[in-house]
Amino acid sequence: DTAVSQTPKYLVTQMGNDKSIKCEQNLGHDTMYWYKQDSKKFLKIMFSYNNKELIINETVPNRFSPKSPDKAHLNLHINSLELGDSAVYFCASSQDTRGLGTDTQYFGPGTRLTVL
Amino acid sequence: AQSVTQLGSHVSVSEGALVLLRCNYSSSVPPYLFWYVQYPNQGLQLLLKYTSAATLVKGINGFEAEFKKSETSFHLTKPSAHMSDAAEYFCAVSDRAGTASKLTFGTGTRLQVTL
Repeated sequence: DTAVSQTPKYLVTQMGNDKSIKCEQNLGHDTMYWYKQDSKKFLKIMFSYNNKELIINETVPNRFSPKSPDKAHLNLHINSLELGDSAVYFCASSQDTRGLGTDTQYFGPGTRLTVL
Repeated sequence: AQSVTQLGSHVSVSEGALVLLRCNYSSSVPPYLFWYVQYPNQGLQLLLKYTSAATLVKGINGFEAEFKKSETSFHLTKPSAHMSDAAEYFCAVSDRAGTASKLTFGTGTRLQVTL
């Protein structure tokens, strides 16, 4: 009965490859997010989707492309991977249709991406 | 833009001692503030949040935090630390953004609990 799940948990790949990370939530939420946590544990938002519509894009390189096939899924595709992309990527969701900022965000377990 | 600052990247306490993790915010509007905990190799879990109701907020696992506007602070406390409290703690402020909101996190505080 996992609320927010991500696959894979670990991803090791070579520079220049293209990879995808999948996220699914079964909470019935309308809003989903991608966050990046770097090696110093700093967390920063990358994207947010509300009901399949892109709401937040935090100046992320266009090698990163989120895709939301439905409101329960938000996938992250990364082209031409670089060493600096190595990080832990977290998916989150919230019931925050009005952007009030009060709703809790529920996080997935993370995907540790290592680019060699 | 709103931001939070966490003082002390690493805090060590003895089991049974008071836990105090500091967070100060910067905001031009009344902020919504959150504390999340991250256990090793896991995602983030909400401990508590302040959304302009009571200034003293009680959360899970015996944690609480008090919103002090005059000090622009939202420090996290627990009267008696337990070994299971060892984790990374993040303070965050919520920015409204259209029909979504985004969390801006502090740099985190690692809590170590010793016997």
